[in-house]
Amino acid sequence: GQQLNQSPQSMFIQEGEDVSMNCTSSSIFNTWLWYKQEPGEGPVLLIALYKAGELTSNGRLTAQFGITRKDSFLNISASIPSDVGIYFCAVTFYNQGGKLIFGQGTELSVKP
Amino acid sequence: DAGVIQSPRHEVTEMGQEVTLRCKPISGHNSLFWYRQTMMRGLELLIYFNNNVPIDDSGMPEDRFSAKMPNASFSTLKIQPSEPRDSAVYFCASNPGTGITYEQYFGPGTRLTVT
Repeated sequence: GQQLNQSPQSMFIQEGEDVSMNCTSSSIFNTWLWYKQEPGEGPVLLIALYKAGELTSNGRLTAQFGITRKDSFLNISASIPSDVGIYFCAVTFYNQGGKLIFGQGTELSVKP
Repeated sequence: DAGVIQSPRHEVTEMGQEVTLRCKPISGHNSLFWYRQTMMRGLELLIYFNNNVPIDDSGMPEDRFSAKMPNASFSTLKIQPSEPRDSAVYFCASNPGTGITYEQYFGPGTRLTVT
């Protein structure tokens, strides 16, 4: 089946640093979503991307839908301790009834 | 506004027992999804419903798993009989309707431990 390759698997950074993570696939997708999951909680939607080339921001977060429709990246600027968690990319097809396929996640640790 | 509600938050049971997980989607949402999360396999879609009708259950691991959605505000995921390898966090998510958006909103999850 389809697979997403998310990297890096984990990151250890200092507070204030910028962070970048990405997701790639061998297949084309119509929608890319980025979620954050904190311990003991469900994933929370951060950003949704619907058009190739689209660049969208949500506060300190910026995500882009790759032109080839096979990749996406998420940047976090000026990281803070509460950015800690696991970040997942997810994709779907228009004709799949909204089924999401998730990447393996990037675990972010921020040192104060 | 209330988000997706799941109960119980934690469940510990013995192998062979029946387990029922419950979900209340966000009011007005037409699609409901059940996921399982483990370290080994990540987040996996088990089954989803549109307008209370099961659309795709290809992710349900085996016949021991069943899911129902008797009305727009309630769904259950049942495991009978449960096995230790079913231990995982089970999430329910809802979506306003795939003709509107593909954004899914997750509940807090049920952590299931089968001993």
